[in-house]
Amino acid sequence: GAVVSQHPSRVICKSGTSVKIECRSLDFQATTMFWYRQFPKQSLMLMATSNEGSKATYEQGVEKDKFLINHASLTLSTLTVTSAHPEDSSFYICSASSKSGPSYNEQFFGPGTRLTVL
Amino acid sequence: AQRVTQPEKLLSVFKGAPVELKCNYSYSGSPELFWYVQYSRQRLQLLLRHISRESIKGFTADLNKGETSFHLKKPFAQEEDSAMYYCALKGGNTPLVFGKGTRLSVIA
Repeated sequence: GAVVSQHPSRVICKSGTSVKIECRSLDFQATTMFWYRQFPKQSLMLMATSNEGSKATYEQGVEKDKFLINHASLTLSTLTVTSAHPEDSSFYICSASSKSGPSYNEQFFGPGTRLTVL
Repeated sequence: AQRVTQPEKLLSVFKGAPVELKCNYSYSGSPELFWYVQYSRQRLQLLLRHISRESIKGFTADLNKGETSFHLKKPFAQEEDSAMYYCALKGGNTPLVFGKGTRLSVIA
């Protein structure tokens, strides 16, 4: 299957700073990327969906000014958590899908990034 | 609205016993149903999808539209099956919607 990578895998930052998380599709062109958030022992909650070259569509309750998503190319999407606070500490997982090829529309997941805000 | 319900947070079974992880869904159209698995310290990965109607690692799942269910079954559990299992639904071009997950623990 297709491979999705995330960087960094783990980040610790101070309250008030901004953190950028990268998501890359390594061997396919991801027309759509998704960002999920997972709290401990809970399910994945969709934060936003982004199509290459377009603005992201955010789910209800997700602050677009706080969670900036950029999908500038078919292989890279970034999530920037601005002015991070301790309640933003979570596991962030990206997912990518393509509208072509044998895995049409299947979502492939990255390994996740654990963010801890002190 | 799309909704996926996994009623059990934790399911413990003995090795060799049958396993059934329950999943019910709510969707007005024709959904695609999936089971994803997350082993300890590994990423989420697709286990099976209803349209492929295949058995992966001994697991099967049948879509029952009348009961709006997509339960995951395996006749004989193995220790290596211990993991977190998520049922997910996809309606049309919308993103996957996940259930809350069931942790399967297979006891030797």
